[in-house]
Amino acid sequence: SAVISQKPSRDICQRGTSLTIQCQVDSQVTMMFWYRQQPGQSLTLIATANQGSEATYESGFVIDKFPISRPNLTFSTLTVSNMSPEDSSIYLCSVDWGWGSDEQFFGPGTRLTVL
Amino acid sequence: KNQVEQSPQSLIILEGKNCTLQCNYTVSPFSNLRWYKQDTGRGPVSLTIMTFSENTKSNGRYTATLDADTKQSSLHITASQLSDSASYICVVSLETGANNLFFGTGTRLTVIP
Repeated sequence: SAVISQKPSRDICQRGTSLTIQCQVDSQVTMMFWYRQQPGQSLTLIATANQGSEATYESGFVIDKFPISRPNLTFSTLTVSNMSPEDSSIYLCSVDWGWGSDEQFFGPGTRLTVL
Repeated sequence: KNQVEQSPQSLIILEGKNCTLQCNYTVSPFSNLRWYKQDTGRGPVSLTIMTFSENTKSNGRYTATLDADTKQSSLHITASQLSDSASYICVVSLETGANNLFFGTGTRLTVIP
């Protein structure tokens, strides 16, 4: 299994500011993903973080709002830009070992509140 | 449309009792079905993964069943404990694609003493 850590674990931010969330994995992984979980809702995939290239975003999410970096096989960041109260959510990092893998592991999440 | 629906939305049971959570899906082509447990303020943790050919899989007091014909799954929790209080999420994976996961909205289980 993978051990995934996220920083910060929670934050309260003012509207219009930006927050960068870090995700660190204890081993090299092929696939890293970022999810959003709004209050009372299920998980929604934001993007796939690709090592060495731009992230692949899902419908409804754009790079300007959620820029993602993945400088190596164990680390990724998600920035929530120009925040509004609607961005208040739990943001989760997730990994799997690549094609053919059945297992997907999730980080502990970052609880973001925007005032 | 690929969807995963879970019921009930929430459930309260007495400690020591059993309960069953339901998951219906319309995802196709189906690859596997997973049940996750998500404690409050934490990320989801995998309980079971079942492929098309598997009918039942257990993990301690958790037993998942899968009927691929009717596209239904259930998660049975035996002799519930206070620590079972959490959200239980059903996730169905498409056969192809890097990350084609479809998430249910979860069942919020509360175990009371």
